[in-house]
Amino acid sequence: AQRVTQPEKLLSVFKGAPVELKCNYSYSGSPELFWYVQYSRQRLQLLLRHISRESIKGFTADLNKGETSFHLKKPFAQEEDSAMYYCALRMNTGFQKLVFGTGTRLLVSP
Amino acid sequence: GAGVSQSPSNKVTEKGKDVELRCDPISGHTALYWYRQRLGQGLEFLIYFQGNSAPDKSGLPSDRFSAERTGESVSTLTIQRTQQEDSAVYLCASSLGQGGEYFGPGTRLTVT
Repeated sequence: AQRVTQPEKLLSVFKGAPVELKCNYSYSGSPELFWYVQYSRQRLQLLLRHISRESIKGFTADLNKGETSFHLKKPFAQEEDSAMYYCALRMNTGFQKLVFGTGTRLLVSP
Repeated sequence: GAGVSQSPSNKVTEKGKDVELRCDPISGHTALYWYRQRLGQGLEFLIYFQGNSAPDKSGLPSDRFSAERTGESVSTLTIQRTQQEDSAVYLCASSLGQGGEYFGPGTRLTVT
């Protein structure tokens, strides 16, 4: 069965430090991977998706099929990056529901 | 236009009562999801509607849970004979079927 693992519940860094939020997945096919973010008192929103190969708010994520990973990275964290981050997978066959990881809370301190 | 809306925003109910949660998706979005988020846990898939296809109900935790969708419009999630373990935030999301999903603000359900 498809599964998304985010091993860190909490990641605490100082402003200006590099950030890497880990995400590993298990799926036998070719999935579509996403990162969602939830800022305090706001609704969950899409941050980026792997097929776009874009950088949003300085964040990037590369799909590594060999390691089945989709880690989220930012070279210099900002205080406004503090939020809950969820990695999600969509299967490319059948019902294309999103499967989410348990989330990582990123806390950026001044 | 408006995003995904959900009502009520908060619901407190007594154990054993039935509750109905509502989701208004973005107009034109063919796909609609319900997820549940218990305190300190990730998003748990409940049910997925896509156009006129039969819904994917594989995530519904028990037969006390059911959901309906009227065409490509409003959806209601019904929980019968609520239990304390049903306490959670229930999230609805909609999309055009591909790309990212747009989430509603959620309904916080507390079963006392």
